[in-house]
Amino acid sequence: EPEVTQTPSHQVTQMGQEVILRCVPISNHLYFYWYRQILGQKVEFLVSFYNNEISEKSEIFDDQFSVERPDGSNFTLKIRSTKLEDSAMYFCASSERTGPNLADFGPGTRLLVL
Amino acid sequence: GEDVEQSLFLSVREGDSSVINCTYTDSSSTYLYWYKQEPGAGLQLLTYIFSNMDMKQDQRLTVLLNKKDKHLSLRIADTQTGDSAIYFCAESYGGGGADGLTFGKGTHLIIQP
Repeated sequence: EPEVTQTPSHQVTQMGQEVILRCVPISNHLYFYWYRQILGQKVEFLVSFYNNEISEKSEIFDDQFSVERPDGSNFTLKIRSTKLEDSAMYFCASSERTGPNLADFGPGTRLLVL
Repeated sequence: GEDVEQSLFLSVREGDSSVINCTYTDSSSTYLYWYKQEPGAGLQLLTYIFSNMDMKQDQRLTVLLNKKDKHLSLRIADTQTGDSAIYFCAESYGGGGADGLTFGKGTHLIIQP
């Protein structure tokens, strides 16, 4: 059964550094998402992406964040200048359609900013 | 704004039924979902319900929706040790765009032998 994959599984970075989190969505899916989960907190929506552009973004997704689908298979989340509070588990998800949003989630990348 | 609330822990005995509750605030929620997260794993969609339905059953899982009270529950019959996980309630507007899911904090289901 096809799965959403994410790399790396863990990343440690210094405050102020740029990080790129990578995701390979399921191949026939059209909608792509990033969520984050700060330890002990709820899973929070960051951004959705469809037809090569951002469809919706939350207040968390400020100018420090960007997403890209560079080659038709990867879907990346870039954080330009990481802050301590960016430490979280970042989940990528993809879905074939919306209404309902039956997204498949990846296993997550745990980001630790020191 | 949208908010989804769940109790943090539920402890049940193996073989009993588990009932996990959730309340939400957004009356325009069109779809409500239950996700399961096992330790170290991603989120797995268990089931969902359309807001014009009251109940949905899928094997051991029963979802009940009280739209008037904005209350959603997940009942797991004959709870097994493999059901031990965090269960997240979520909702979406379903307006046709790539709208994201709004999650609750999750309920830790603890199974006693």
